[in-house]
Amino acid sequence: EVVLTQSPATLSLSPGERATLSCRASQSISSYLAWYQQKPGQALRLLIYDASNRATGIPARFTGSGSGTDFTLTISSLEPEDFAVYYCQQRSNFGGGTKVEIK
Amino acid sequence: QVQLVESGGGVVQPGRSLRLSCAASGFIFSSYGMHWVRQAPGKGLEWVAVLWYDGTNKYYADSVKGRFTISRDNSKNTLYLQMNSLRAEDTAVYYCVRDAARTPPSYYFDYWGQGTLVTVSS
Repeated sequence: EVVLTQSPATLSLSPGERATLSCRASQSISSYLAWYQQKPGQALRLLIYDASNRATGIPARFTGSGSGTDFTLTISSLEPEDFAVYYCQQRSNFGGGTKVEIK
Repeated sequence: QVQLVESGGGVVQPGRSLRLSCAASGFIFSSYGMHWVRQAPGKGLEWVAVLWYDGTNKYYADSVKGRFTISRDNSKNTLYLQMNSLRAEDTAVYYCVRDAARTPPSYYFDYWGQGTLVTVSS
């Protein structure tokens, strides 16, 4: 079973700052990785699939990168609506999540 | 637009059963694999089960294998999760989720319902 470890657990940033979220896999998963955003009271949203492809309607400020065991989700300039919890996922495995909170 | 609406959650005693339903609309339900994903209160996401578009293949997380059954009725655009022998650790919000691919499932989840809360407690 693949274990996904996300870091940091919490990221405290201000609007307009750059956010860098990490996801590390316990073994190589090629580029089979997705990122999701969860906000209270809203349905989860697929952001990135295949490590670097933005899902339909996702703004260009969200960028996914990486392959093998190390992956990154970058939000180039945080908008107020981006403060949320982010999960990485590979097939039936999810990471523990990173909460991006307002500093 | 794609809509997934779960129902059937509630409070149930340990060892009892519950059936969740998910009404799908806004897409050709019979063409997509479907999943259940759950989230315990204050915790992360846990994949539960997948069912192929035609119902031929189904797979489960080890934590629910032998107790939960995923099924679908393509004539009613509805996904189900039959949960038997419920345990306290099954307490969670259960999400109905569409797979992003038609067949075989990609295990990328492009649409999620709002979820239904299942609480297992005596």
